[in-house]
Amino acid sequence: DAGVIQSPRHEVTEMGQEVTLRCKPISGHNSLFWYRQTMMRGLELLIYFNNNVPIDDSGMPEDRFSAKMPNASFSTLKIQPSEPRDSAVYFCASSPNPGQGNNQPQHFGDGTRLSIL
Amino acid sequence: DAKTTQPNSMESNEEEPVHLPCNHSTISGTDYIHWYRQLPSQGPEYVIHGLTSNVNNRMASLAIAEDRKSSTLILHRATLRDAAVYYCILRVYGQNFVFGPGTRLSVLP
Repeated sequence: DAGVIQSPRHEVTEMGQEVTLRCKPISGHNSLFWYRQTMMRGLELLIYFNNNVPIDDSGMPEDRFSAKMPNASFSTLKIQPSEPRDSAVYFCASSPNPGQGNNQPQHFGDGTRLSIL
Repeated sequence: DAKTTQPNSMESNEEEPVHLPCNHSTISGTDYIHWYRQLPSQGPEYVIHGLTSNVNNRMASLAIAEDRKSSTLILHRATLRDAAVYYCILRVYGQNFVFGPGTRLSVLP
């Protein structure tokens, strides 16, 4: 079975450019999560979708960040304009049931390593 | 607020058992205990979870204290591939995961 697929694996771009990260969740999973990992702050939840609808975006750092899930098999996380402090590894995860109130494990992709120069 | 306390790092010898402790003194009756691990350059990977009773699966065992204020992840025979950061997480009802800094496990050949 294919796991969570993220692209690109690595992205290097200059400050001010738009960055789009992509995620394909595991087929049949109806919850999707975007996380960011840095040395200073560890692994942080940015936003969570259930059935393609954003449920909790309280972790999104600021308006430069936006996330969409146009269908059950695809999600994007966009940063516009990007800044050097956005450099991190961004993970997407999916879960077979709603993420809140139950205990289905989350399945993570291998992440996108983003470097903003 | 991660709600769990783990040692920053631990070492183990290859092919020996490893006991990774976790304290969660503020746990409530509906909170599940989850363990994930993260290998270098990979995303976190689910290991095991439980509520009150001890749990076993192909990867590990989870021993939960009777008062549920602590738990131990047991790797029965550590291999070099088990070197990773291990996260103990309380799954609070109605809330999402909060990852703490975890325990970095080194396995010595």
